[in-house]
Amino acid sequence: RKEVEQDPGPFNVPEGATVAFNCTYSNSASQSFFWYRQDCRKEPKLLMSVYSSGNEDGRFTAQLNRASQYISLLIRDSKLSDSATYLCVVRGSSASKIIFGSGTRLSIRP
Amino acid sequence: DTAVSQTPKYLVTQMGNDKSIKCEQNLGHDTMYWYKQDSKKFLKIMFSYNNKELIINETVPNRFSPKSPDKAHLNLHINSLELGDSAVYFCASSQDLMQPQHFGDGTRLSIL
Repeated sequence: RKEVEQDPGPFNVPEGATVAFNCTYSNSASQSFFWYRQDCRKEPKLLMSVYSSGNEDGRFTAQLNRASQYISLLIRDSKLSDSATYLCVVRGSSASKIIFGSGTRLSIRP
Repeated sequence: DTAVSQTPKYLVTQMGNDKSIKCEQNLGHDTMYWYKQDSKKFLKIMFSYNNKELIINETVPNRFSPKSPDKAHLNLHINSLELGDSAVYFCASSQDLMQPQHFGDGTRLSIL
């Protein structure tokens, strides 16, 4: 089992739809979690950190499920500009463990 | 103002050459990183420095040597370049080891 796994997609959804995807991790000792987005031929950019109690930033909601070892990202009222690859990042208990998922491609159509 | 800047943006060179990529951050962060993103878009950490000290050194050929002259700079030198080194190399920084990272816009390395 990979240390961090994401469904590669692509997810192709209409503008205005709600879309959600998960990221599973294998190390139960993982301590911090993030979602990044990466546009084509650009650098990854932080979208949001993921907190134990769940957190929301505008149309974006991130949740952590420690029991099942996954994090999720929900995007409401999707916009064309949300089209990107979404990367989850899991950081372990030691400084040496920083794992990026392989990304989920999201495409929003008009 | 650019927060994490790396140069050059594009690097095309021949197999066997030695090249360097430079990275600088003006965010006052303590930790800097080098990542490699291959053709399958998989982003993998190579090195991390915290206050100029090497703290992460993943399984990377010793042809790759990072150097951190101060905590605002982390350069990457690559000896004897091979075809498999073709990738996008990203520099990043974070306030400390557990905080989210800010990325430079990448160096696209192509080996002929």
